Amino acid sequence: SYEVTQPPSVSVSPGQTASITCSGERLGEKYVCWYQKKPGQSPVVVIYQDIERPSGIPERFSGSNSGNTATLTISGTQAMDEADYYCQAWDTSTAYVVFGGGTKLTVL
Amino acid sequence: QVEMQESGPGLVKPSETLSLTCGVSGYSIINGYYWGWIRQPPGKGLEWIGSIYHSGTTYYNPSLKSRVTISVDTSKNQFSLKLNSVTAADTAVFFCARQEGHSFSFDYWGQGSLVTVSS
Repeated sequence: SYEVTQPPSVSVSPGQTASITCSGERLGEKYVCWYQKKPGQSPVVVIYQDIERPSGIPERFSGSNSGNTATLTISGTQAMDEADYYCQAWDTSTAYVVFGGGTKLTVL
Repeated sequence: QVEMQESGPGLVKPSETLSLTCGVSGYSIINGYYWGWIRQPPGKGLEWIGSIYHSGTTYYNPSLKSRVTISVDTSKNQFSLKLNSVTAADTAVFFCARQEGHSFSFDYWGQGSLVTVSS
């Protein structure tokens, strides 16, 4: 079965750039989206279709996807960005959703 | 504005069937999109359970496929999840969500429903 892998944790200082990776075989050939998940809240999609940002999501969130790695980049990270982030892909060959294990972003 | 709300028992006994319903408002299921269920066990990550198209076509997580049934009731604008033969490992917050059909991202989510499996 298809799998995608994320680092368990990433730390960043306020105002700096945070990068969270999502790796999988030929992931660049699939669409990837990213969710922000805070405790007690529902996930919020911050990037879809690799690079698209939904309305209402700050411009500091951006995405890329090429080769075997997709990346979520948060520029000028703020304290409010501290959360768990999950990547998600759709495996077209088997028609099922795959979530990464999640990355805890700490802003300190 | 699309709104989604999970409903169902918060406590289920081991070996029994977990049943949840997701009511949708602000959008008619019959107009399209996929509709999915995702869960998050305490302290763990998100796990996709399955999705259903408005026509009734279903897609299930292979690891749960033998125990899961997702159905849609367009007359009530809702869809449902049944997970049978539950164990304590199925204790989780269950989310329903709308799934876009091009990139397959989930764009609207319910608030989540905690279901505990315990005798």
